Amino acid sequence: GQQLNQSPQSMFIQEGEDVSMNCTSSSIFNTWLWYKQDPGEGPVLLIALYKAGELTSNGRLTAQFGITRKDSFLNISASIPSDVGIYFCAGGGADGLTFGKGTHLIIQP
Amino acid sequence: EPEVTQTPSHQVTQMGQEVILRCVPISNHLYFYWYRQILGQKVEFLVSFYNNEISEKSEIFDDQFSVERPDGSNFTLKIRSTKLEDSAMYFCASSDTRKGRPAVDYYYEQYFGPGTRLTVT
Repeated sequence: GQQLNQSPQSMFIQEGEDVSMNCTSSSIFNTWLWYKQDPGEGPVLLIALYKAGELTSNGRLTAQFGITRKDSFLNISASIPSDVGIYFCAGGGADGLTFGKGTHLIIQP
Repeated sequence: EPEVTQTPSHQVTQMGQEVILRCVPISNHLYFYWYRQILGQKVEFLVSFYNNEISEKSEIFDDQFSVERPDGSNFTLKIRSTKLEDSAMYFCASSDTRKGRPAVDYYYEQYFGPGTRLTVT
């Protein structure tokens, strides 16, 4: 099946710092999505991207669909404590959504 | 804001028993999905369902799994004879009408429920 490489695996940052994470794949995806998952809860959709090159913002979050359609990044500006959680990228293709392994974001006060 | 709901939140069952996990998708959504997440691992696609039939399924979704929309609101996942390795969080998701280029760009904004934690002993 299709595989997504998400990095970094975890991030330890100070409150107020900007965050950047990305996903790459050897396969082309038609859609890229970014989800956040809090412990014991389901993934919550943050941003959906549909066109190569598309750059979309949702508040302090910005995500881009790579030109090659094989990658995407998510940036979080001025992190706050409630940004803590696991962020998953997901690529949409023929086999449902394929999820990355997640980036665990930890914010130190 | 509409949301996907799932019951029960936690199900404990003995190996070999049948379990049914229930979901109520967002009311105007037409596409329904089941995913699972083994503890500490990524979310994995199981099956998608549209117009009362399975549209896609993964290798994980073997003959012991089945899905059903028994009425206008519920969407269920049945595991016929549970195994220890079926222990996981099971998430239901739903999405709205298709967008983008038909037959190509057909994965949409999927909204997930809170999950059912299945523990097989």
